[in-house]
Amino acid sequence: DTAVSQTPKYLVTQMGNDKSIKCEQNLGHDTMYWYKQDSKKFLKIMFSYNNKELIINETVPNRFSPKSPDKAHLNLHINSLELGDSAVYFCASSLLGGNQPQHFGDGTRLSIL
Amino acid sequence: QQQVKQSPQSLIVQKGGISIINCAYENTAFDYFPWYQQFPGKGPALLIAIRPDVSEKKEGRFTISFNKSAKQFSLHIMDSQPGDSATYFCAASYNNNDMRFGAGTRLTVKP
Repeated sequence: DTAVSQTPKYLVTQMGNDKSIKCEQNLGHDTMYWYKQDSKKFLKIMFSYNNKELIINETVPNRFSPKSPDKAHLNLHINSLELGDSAVYFCASSLLGGNQPQHFGDGTRLSIL
Repeated sequence: QQQVKQSPQSLIVQKGGISIINCAYENTAFDYFPWYQQFPGKGPALLIAIRPDVSEKKEGRFTISFNKSAKQFSLHIMDSQPGDSATYFCAASYNNNDMRFGAGTRLTVKP
């Protein structure tokens, strides 16, 4: 009964490839997020979605695109992968509104060869 | 630019001691200040949070102290245990859930 689940846990791929990371939450939350954690453990928000609408879009390359088929899912598609994309990507979810705690998945470690 | 500054980067404490991690923010629009705990291979998990209308919040061994005028807040872990060894992140958010994280503090509690 994992609350926020991501797949795959590990993703190793070649530079230039296109890949996707899936995220699902069963908490009944209406907002989902993607974060990037770099090698120094710094966490930075990339996207958030509420009711299928993008409400935050940080200055990430347009090679990254979030796709939300429904409230419980927010997938991350990455095109033309680059070495600098190597990081751990975390999905999170929360209820909409101020001061709502975010619940994180266990991350997807992306390694670009 | 980093909107939430966290220190120290790493901290070593003896078992039973007090661990103190400090954060400072710049944007007075922030209205929610959570602390997250992250173990290796896991996602961050909410530990404790505070709103700016409260100066202190305590939950078990964990206490947040908040100084609105100084734009600073800190996490105190009393009676630190080896199981507390993890990376701790402070964060701040606006009303719209735009969460900004500090750079993290790696805490090691020695037995």
